[in-house]
Amino acid sequence: GQNIDQPTEMTATEGAIVQINCTYQTSGFNGLFWYQQHAGEAPTFLSYNVLDGLEEKGRFSSFLSRSKGYSYLLLKELQMKDSASYLCAVGDHSNYQLIWGAGTKLIIKP
Amino acid sequence: EPEVTQTPSHQVTQMGQEVILRCVPISNHLYFYWYRQILGQKVEFLVSFYNNEISEKSEIFDDQFSVERPDGSNFTLKIRSTKLEDSAMYFCASSTDRDYTEAFFGQGTRLTVV
Repeated sequence: GQNIDQPTEMTATEGAIVQINCTYQTSGFNGLFWYQQHAGEAPTFLSYNVLDGLEEKGRFSSFLSRSKGYSYLLLKELQMKDSASYLCAVGDHSNYQLIWGAGTKLIIKP
Repeated sequence: EPEVTQTPSHQVTQMGQEVILRCVPISNHLYFYWYRQILGQKVEFLVSFYNNEISEKSEIFDDQFSVERPDGSNFTLKIRSTKLEDSAMYFCASSTDRDYTEAFFGQGTRLTVV
């Protein structure tokens, strides 16, 4: 079956670092995506991992371990505007669909 | 910067009525998608469209739903006879290839069925 798990909510302090984990099970893995979604808005693309390892893009980094079915999104130097939901999504090669996690709501406190 | 645009931003309709949600994907993109997100729930895939035909669809996308690209720029989602449970945000997305390397989302249409 297909399943994506991520924490429902996390809280962090402005200027700090936070790691949001995602574990997945899918029949035909075709890449893992992280999207940011502010309340009432569309998801916006953050990162895409298809090979194991760390992808760094500015303050955001994403890590993938295919053997463990595990990814994390690392956010550094947190800013208040980073308060949003972070959605983990997995591409399924068997049907070319994106399977979405429920999202992690990140609350940034001053 | 190119973007996916959706109209209307909000739509209120009576149960049983037909609605058409419109999207203009990014001009050089070839793959188009509709997703929905019921308030407080996860994003759900509805359908993907390529070369003027449906390439994939989910269980949600039943006979009440249809998609069309009538004029080479617009991409529409039609719900034939709306139900209360169709109330959701509907997102259109487009990408250059099938593997979702970067799908761009529109701002969504909030559909409320009363």
